[in-house]
Amino acid sequence: EVQLVQSGPEVKKPGESLMMSCEGSGYDFTNYWIAWVRQAPGKGLEWVASIYPRDSDTRYSPSVQGQVTISVDKSITTAYLHWKTLKASDSGLYYCARRAEAPLTHRFFDLWGGGTLITVSS
Amino acid sequence: IQMTQSPSSLSASVGDRVSITCRASQNIRTYLNWYQHKPGRAPNLLIYAASSLQSGVPSRFSGGGSGTDFTLTISSLQPEDFGVYYCQQSYGTPWTFGRGTKVEIK
Repeated sequence: EVQLVQSGPEVKKPGESLMMSCEGSGYDFTNYWIAWVRQAPGKGLEWVASIYPRDSDTRYSPSVQGQVTISVDKSITTAYLHWKTLKASDSGLYYCARRAEAPLTHRFFDLWGGGTLITVSS
Repeated sequence: IQMTQSPSSLSASVGDRVSITCRASQNIRTYLNWYQHKPGRAPNLLIYAASSLQSGVPSRFSGGGSGTDFTLTISSLQPEDFGVYYCQQSYGTPWTFGRGTKVEIK
């Protein structure tokens, strides 16, 4: 089965670190970009970061640049999103998603993980 | 690139024709995707490249438009179509989403 399986919910305090994961299976993991998309409480969807597993090329949203790190371990087909220092505003539901591509470089998220709820509170 | 959706919410009856619009702050050609998001579930791709129906998505969903103005249409609303619908542009980074349109069934 083609799927993305995410790690479980986390409750953290401001200033703590966190790493969450997204394991892909059922497809050629190295051939598709993986993205993280978040939904802050009561808000819409926001793209956070993307990584290409084949060469670890990365892209970040300006809103999180320098605050998070996206990485990948090809050997276990898993992508990660890591914070060194969490803030309350990092709370939200985080999805990983596979980026697919159609002719003429049309790109879209065609496969999504189930989401990881992150709560950062003192 | 800012994406503006309207309306922010709507309530319609089963069988109704429903349209949601999305406007981009600049020309994005047809680099526009639509997703359905239900509570407690992952978003689901409906339409890519403005008008291409994703495999497995019912044909009552259709998309149109190019440049800055786009539309998602549900030709005959079904009970399972409740949720929040988002447009998203993939023309330039950072990829951006609209704020969503909440669809309720009367």
